[in-house]
Amino acid sequence: GESVGLHLPTLSVQEGDNSIINCAYSNSASDYFIWYKQESGKGPQFIIDIRSNMDKRQGQRVTVLLNKTVKHLSLQIAATQPGDSAVYFCAENGSSNTGKLIFGQGTTLQVKP
Amino acid sequence: DSGVTQTPKHLITATGQRVTLRCSPRSGDLSVYWYQQSLDQGLQFLIQYYNGEERAKGNILERFSAQQFPDLHSELNLSSLELGDSALYFCASSDRLSWTGELFFGEGSRLTVL
Repeated sequence: GESVGLHLPTLSVQEGDNSIINCAYSNSASDYFIWYKQESGKGPQFIIDIRSNMDKRQGQRVTVLLNKTVKHLSLQIAATQPGDSAVYFCAENGSSNTGKLIFGQGTTLQVKP
Repeated sequence: DSGVTQTPKHLITATGQRVTLRCSPRSGDLSVYWYQQSLDQGLQFLIQYYNGEERAKGNILERFSAQQFPDLHSELNLSSLELGDSALYFCASSDRLSWTGELFFGEGSRLTVL
């Protein structure tokens, strides 16, 4: 069935280091991918998105890389800060144009001071 | 603040009961989505409404129903509650029908079924 999974459940990094969060997806028909950040007690918050016709997109301190050949998505966070500590979810739109986002299980990012 | 308001924030009830969760989308957003977040299932899409009409259905149980009213707020009704229904229920909104943009999530309603 459709699934989006994350390779590591928890990632611990030192403040100032770069973080890389990985994600594998299974639906080849997905043409839109998105990363969300969820802080404790809050709802998911949009970070960055990418369409399947791109392989890289940069935002402020974040970069998303898409490798359609191996169905892999990654989120890179530069100069990780304590405020980046959260659970990060990747999601894909599957084969639908509606809001049926398929979310991965999430990776917890812990930033050590 | 995403602009999406959900009430109640916390709800504790007993098995067999019925509850209603309410969502007010961002001003101007016509699409409302409901998601369930549990520890073992992650974020699961339940249902989408656009301008009052149901547009997409996910893994929503028959015991659950939703609607979107003319003022665009939405309600998710959960009935015959079971222990396994305990979860965070999120509402999200967007300004479009097709999903190619950001969803704005509320802070969720935490349901505990005892």
